[in-house]
Amino acid sequence: QKEVEQNSGPLSVPEGAIASLNCTYSDRGSQSFFWYRQYSGKSPELIMFIYSNGDKEDGRFTAQLNKASQYVSLLIRDSQPSDSATYLCAVRNGGATNKLIFGTGTLLAVQP
Amino acid sequence: DADVTQTPRNRITKTGKRIMLECSQTKGHDRMYWYRQDPGLGLRLIYYSFDVKDINKGEISDGYSVSRQAQAKFSLSLESAIPNQTALYFCATSDSGVEADTQYFGPGTRLTVL
Repeated sequence: QKEVEQNSGPLSVPEGAIASLNCTYSDRGSQSFFWYRQYSGKSPELIMFIYSNGDKEDGRFTAQLNKASQYVSLLIRDSQPSDSATYLCAVRNGGATNKLIFGTGTLLAVQP
Repeated sequence: DADVTQTPRNRITKTGKRIMLECSQTKGHDRMYWYRQDPGLGLRLIYYSFDVKDINKGEISDGYSVSRQAQAKFSLSLESAIPNQTALYFCATSDSGVEADTQYFGPGTRLTVL
């Protein structure tokens, strides 16, 4: 079992719809959870992070964390073609060091 | 100017050559990281450093070495490059304070080993 798992996609949604991206992780001691966006050939760009169970909203983005079920999700409201990218989930494990474990990413395609 | 810079941005080299990738940052962060990214494998940690005197191996350090010349500079070397080191390489930084977990990435170096 991979430490951080994401569906590779592509996830295709129409413009204006809600895109839902999911991520599961294996380490129950994981502390911090991150979503990065990566355009093809570019570097990962931080979208948001979440530390506590529940929802965290930032503009059109909402991160949801459920530690009991070991999943974290990202919702993108009013999806735009410019949101088309690969979304990487990253998890800091429960160890003493500040290491992030990345999922392989979900490719999102927003259709105009 | 970008907060995290990497040089070179693209490099093509031959098997057996020694290669150095450089990373500089103006964010004032203590912690720096080197990752490689391969299609289908995601980002994998090569080495990381929490301060100038601290160097730690990541999950795939074989065939690589690093040098932390200053707080702002962290270099990655391939002593004898091989084709399976062809990948996209990223440097990242993070603070050591409250937001220590948040990492910021440089633009990447695309390395091709022939």
